[in-house]
Amino acid sequence: QKEVEQNSGPLSVPEGAIASLNCTYSDRGSQSFFWYRQYSGKSPELIMFIYSNGDKEDGRFTAQLNKASQYVSLLIRDSQPSDSATYLCAVKGDFNKFYFGSGTKLNVKP
Amino acid sequence: DTGVSQDPRHKITKRGQNVTFRCDPISEHNRLYWYRQTLGQGPEFLTYFQNEAQLEKSRLLSDRFSAERPKGSFSTLEIQRTEQGDSAMYLCASSLRASGLAAYNEQFFGPGTRLTVL
Repeated sequence: QKEVEQNSGPLSVPEGAIASLNCTYSDRGSQSFFWYRQYSGKSPELIMFIYSNGDKEDGRFTAQLNKASQYVSLLIRDSQPSDSATYLCAVKGDFNKFYFGSGTKLNVKP
Repeated sequence: DTGVSQDPRHKITKRGQNVTFRCDPISEHNRLYWYRQTLGQGPEFLTYFQNEAQLEKSRLLSDRFSAERPKGSFSTLEIQRTEQGDSAMYLCASSLRASGLAAYNEQFFGPGTRLTVL
């Protein structure tokens, strides 16, 4: 059983729309959750982290966490073609091990 | 450049050869991670150091893999007797163990070393 599950996509949205990316995790004791963006051929870069239930907003990005449902999401408002990338969900587990999902590929069409 | 650096960026080797990769973390970071990433997958945890101590190692890591961080600064990852299945991107990341509310530890990734085993 995978620790972190994501829909591989691709998710296609028109420019200016809201992109919604979802992630579920298996370890109910997980406390910290991260969203990374990875452009093709590049290494992951952190977009947001969240550790409390609810929403956390940073610019065009909003992370949502529901620990009871073991569910994390990332909303990207006013999507731009430059947002086209693979988005990785990561969960911090015991002993500072990080578990990554396989990523969701986002395509923002001009 | 004060980010995480990795060397080499690309390595092509023949099956059965040994390879060694180097990672230089951000200078004040005391935590260092190695990951492996294959096409279409997320990074897979390999091992983790806090200073010079290797605190965790993936059960998926065979005995052919070894990592060191002798002085708590740079780290090396060695793969012995490489196999074609070892072909992947090897990523290094570093972070700073935060005091107080340490609910998160932002990891900064290096550019990776792409290994191709022929």
